[in-house]
Amino acid sequence: DAKTTQPDSMESTEGETVHLPCSHATISGNEYIYWYRQVPLQGPEYVTHGLQQNTTNSMAFLAIASDRKSSTLILPHVSLRDAAVYHCILRVVAGGNNKLTFGQGTVLSVIP
Amino acid sequence: DAGVTQTPRHEVAEKGQTIILKCEPVSGHNDLFWYRQTKIQGLELLSYFRSKSLMEDGGAFKDRFKAEMLNSSFSTLKIQPTEPKDSAVYLCASSSPLGGSYEQYFGPGTRLTVL
Repeated sequence: DAKTTQPDSMESTEGETVHLPCSHATISGNEYIYWYRQVPLQGPEYVTHGLQQNTTNSMAFLAIASDRKSSTLILPHVSLRDAAVYHCILRVVAGGNNKLTFGQGTVLSVIP
Repeated sequence: DAGVTQTPRHEVAEKGQTIILKCEPVSGHNDLFWYRQTKIQGLELLSYFRSKSLMEDGGAFKDRFKAEMLNSSFSTLKIQPTEPKDSAVYLCASSSPLGGSYEQYFGPGTRLTVL
């Protein structure tokens, strides 16, 4: 799986909209972009994923650049519960190997 | 539906002991993963099963680590013999290719301390 680059940490204030960037310049055509987050003392939690089109769900909006070399996870109106480590991961989904390769992720701090 | 269950939540072992960690995946999931998490290395894959068959066995961990799936609803990770450097959080996850998202559901982890 291709490599991703994320900032080590970001800080936000409650109620703000947060943009978490991820760079994946060597992404392959069959690689999906997955986002997971992890809070202390818990396992990672799936947030969202996408291939080419922007996607949205109850947790976040995923904006994917037209050349797919970068993506941004957008968290609207963050609360203290959104403080976590956010991981951007590339994965080939079809045809077999379903494993995830985690990097260090971005530590998001949320200030009251 | 119950999520991924891991037991015990905490384990303390003496160097050289054998320990067995347990995992019950989400019912109906046929992919099961064991990961190890430390502050320095982050999350590392230990083993990956599909329909009880071993798909991948983390190369660096073959020596003293052995994961098994005794049936589709139960897996164990044995560490024998334990060493202090094995102190970490061990996470189990499961997923299903049905539905298309392939998202992995993680358990709460077992925190292992080796003295």
